[in-house]
Amino acid sequence: GDSVTQMEGPVTLSEEAFLTINCTYTATGYPSLFWYVQYPGEGLQLLLKATKADDKGSNKGFEATYRKETTSFHLEKGSVQVSDSAVYFCALSRSQGAQKLVFGQGTRLTINP
Amino acid sequence: GAGVSQSPRYKVAKRGQDVALRCDPISGHVSLFWYQQALGQGPEFLTYFQNEAQLDKSGLPSDRFFAERPEGSVSTLKIQRTQQEDSAVYLCASSPFSGQEAEAFFGQGTRLTVV
Repeated sequence: GDSVTQMEGPVTLSEEAFLTINCTYTATGYPSLFWYVQYPGEGLQLLLKATKADDKGSNKGFEATYRKETTSFHLEKGSVQVSDSAVYFCALSRSQGAQKLVFGQGTRLTINP
Repeated sequence: GAGVSQSPRYKVAKRGQDVALRCDPISGHVSLFWYQQALGQGPEFLTYFQNEAQLDKSGLPSDRFFAERPEGSVSTLKIQRTQQEDSAVYLCASSPFSGQEAEAFFGQGTRLTVV
């Protein structure tokens, strides 16, 4: 079945460091790919998405590129801030049937000043 | 202005008790999803509605779990005879249309603790 695997956390970085959170997926067909973020005390929010191969999603300085050949959707940011501290979830939505999301296990990110 | 609203935010139930969790989606949203999130894990799909029709309930873990959306708006997730393994955060999400590209808007969840 469909699945998403993301790098285990927790990840701790200093402010202004470069961030990569790896995400790979297994799916039939051509899924859409998403990164959701959960800030402390808040609900899940969509951070960015990509719907076809080679698409790049971007938002708030974060980027991820849909790589079909490596079945990956790694999240990157060039210079992180303390306010980026949160739990990040990679997810896919199948191309057929009900459009439910399949999530990875989440990566907790802490940014120290 | 609302986003997706879930109630109660916290629920403590004694083992064997029945519980009902409510979800108010964003007005006009066609699709509604329920997810279960265990501690330290990603959300896992439970069930999906398109308007009032329950199109997928493949993720419901047992026949003790039941969901409804009778008028295509508010939804209720009911758990009968709760067990300790039911302890989790239950998330509701809605989308303005059905389709794999549709953004899902999540509520803050209901944290259920079964004692």
